[in-house]
Amino acid sequence: NAGVTQTPKFQVLKTGQSMTLQCAQDMNHNSMYWYRQDPGMGLRLIYYSASEGTTDKGEVPNGYNVSRLNKREFSLRLESAAPSQTSVYFCASSVAGGNNSPLHFGNGTRLTVT
Amino acid sequence: QKEVEQDPGPLSVPEGAIVSLNCTYSNSAFQYFMWYRQYSRKGPELLMYTYSSGNKEDGRFTAQVDKSSKYISLFIRDSQPSDSATYLCASAGSYQLTFGKGTKLSVIP
Repeated sequence: NAGVTQTPKFQVLKTGQSMTLQCAQDMNHNSMYWYRQDPGMGLRLIYYSASEGTTDKGEVPNGYNVSRLNKREFSLRLESAAPSQTSVYFCASSVAGGNNSPLHFGNGTRLTVT
Repeated sequence: QKEVEQDPGPLSVPEGAIVSLNCTYSNSAFQYFMWYRQYSRKGPELLMYTYSSGNKEDGRFTAQVDKSSKYISLFIRDSQPSDSATYLCASAGSYQLTFGKGTKLSVIP
């Protein structure tokens, strides 16, 4: 049972380059999320998708775009990478949105922007 | 003030010790409380889930919520080296969970 799968696991970008982080879940969950985790800052929500066809901004959306491709897949795009976007990015999913549905996380993408 | 505050540690204890991890939260509307465990270079995994006040026990782990003082605790009995990880508390805020910054725990054999 794969759960939440993120690709790539590691990436190094130069300032100004673009890239897309991919996420797929096989648990038939309705809601999906993108977080970033930085030392001393904890997990911060970038964007989420409550259900297929909807997306909403989280706490730190600037510099990012997302696409909910279908029920399984939720991608995060950096159009013009900046060093401040160096971080570990986690995708998560839950059965439903709302505050009583635990999150299931992938193992992260470690991104360095030079 | 962040809605969920957590002492980042690090915390180092000998094997077999009782560990107490704590968080405070500020939003009195929070009803759901969770603890996640995160091993190095892995994603967080759900450890405990509680609703409203009270205790919940699962093996060596006990989660405690005191809504009157807005205090969340996780107790680990008979701690093992395999418990070495970062522990994140989380509380429900509007649509999304709000996470604490995490406490790094090391259990020394």
